[in-house]
Parts: sequence; C-alpha cells; structure tokens
Amino acid sequence: DTAVSQTPKYLVTQMGNDKSIKCEQNLGHDTMYWYKQDSKKFLKIMFSYNNKELIINETVPNRFSPKSPDKAHLNLHINSLELGDSAVYFCASSQEPGRQETQYFGPGTRLLVL
Amino acid sequence: GIQVEQSPPDLILQEGANSTLRCNFSDSVNNLQWFHQNPWGQLINLFYIPSGTKQNGRLSATTVATERYSLLYISSSQTTDSGVYFCAVTDKLIFGTGTRLQVFP
Repeated sequence: DTAVSQTPKYLVTQMGNDKSIKCEQNLGHDTMYWYKQDSKKFLKIMFSYNNKELIINETVPNRFSPKSPDKAHLNLHINSLELGDSAVYFCASSQEPGRQETQYFGPGTRLLVL
Repeated sequence: GIQVEQSPPDLILQEGANSTLRCNFSDSVNNLQWFHQNPWGQLINLFYIPSGTKQNGRLSATTVATERYSLLYISSSQTTDSGVYFCAVTDKLIFGTGTRLQVFP
C-alpha cells in the first residue's frame, strides 16, 4: 500500500565503502527525486528524473550516481563514502515537473558514515 | 535563485493554543506545498496551495501569490502537532528553512 518506499531505512557503514539506496513508487508518477536532509534539517534537491531521464543534477559530487531502471524506480549509488555524506536521504515522486501536482515523499534513509 | 524563508524558526506552545507559521518567497511561484516532518522524520503532505485558502480539520493554509507569502494556521494545537513544518516551492524544488514546533501538554 506504501506510495513511495525506500530501502534500507538505516545504513551504517565505514568511510570509503560503496552503498546503494533503493526507491520505488507505485503512484504511476513520471518524475522522481532525491533530496538530502542535513543535520540542521535543511532539505536540498540532489537529482530529478522524468521518465527515466535525468533532468536536474544539482551540485553533487560525482561519487553520487542515480540510476532509473524504469519510471517506478530511482536508486542512488554512492561511491567512496565520506563522513560528510552522513544525512537523511529522501526519495520523492510527482506527476510531472512543473505541473501542479503534489510531491510525495518516502520514509527516508538514515545514512551514518563512520 | 529563489529564496524561501520561514518564520518563526522555533515555536513552543501549550496544548490548545493557536499558531500561525509564515513562509516568504522572493519570486513568483507556480507550486507551493506545506509539509509536516514528524518526530520520527516522516515528511507528511499537508497542503498543495499555490494560491487561495484551504482547510483540513484544525489546519488551514492561505497563499497570497501576488504578495509572495503563505501562512499555515494551526488551531487548538495538540502534542502530535510537534515536529518541523516546511513550506516548499516545488516547481523550483526549493524547501524553506523550516519552523520547529513543540507542543507541551
């Protein structure tokens, strides 16, 4: 029944490791997003995909690579994890960029890099 | 780029009190949403409100797009209202700075 789901919910790992976060939406939306929320609760867009194509790539290190195998999934792969990557990562979806549609958020993945 | 500022940054209330949260944006917007992030971190949609007024139970929101602000009203607050409230200009993918609300019994 969950509209936007993410796995895992918690991720604790060592510096230098590579990890992936998965996101799936069952709302039939065309657009998916990744946001990062830092320790001060600021939410910032990282990527936006529309119909499996990257449309927004904010200033994010190359170590972060999104992959969209189909329009219901948008995964985030992170290489060579650094301490500063510790944050909560949220996936979201909406009908279409710029259209008057609500964004729906997943539960978040809490990443801690030691 | 567009700036989205929220006030107050922190708000402490006793149960039953009313409150108004404000969101100012520096440019015209097409889409504006209000979210509640509960103490467990979940982001919950409250309103999609690019203009006009909407109500949902004890919560209501008003956006005056021409004057570049939106207000969220919480009446008869409850402890479950605690958390962080964000406005977001979703067509520009920009979130506001948030208002942290704590409601005490």
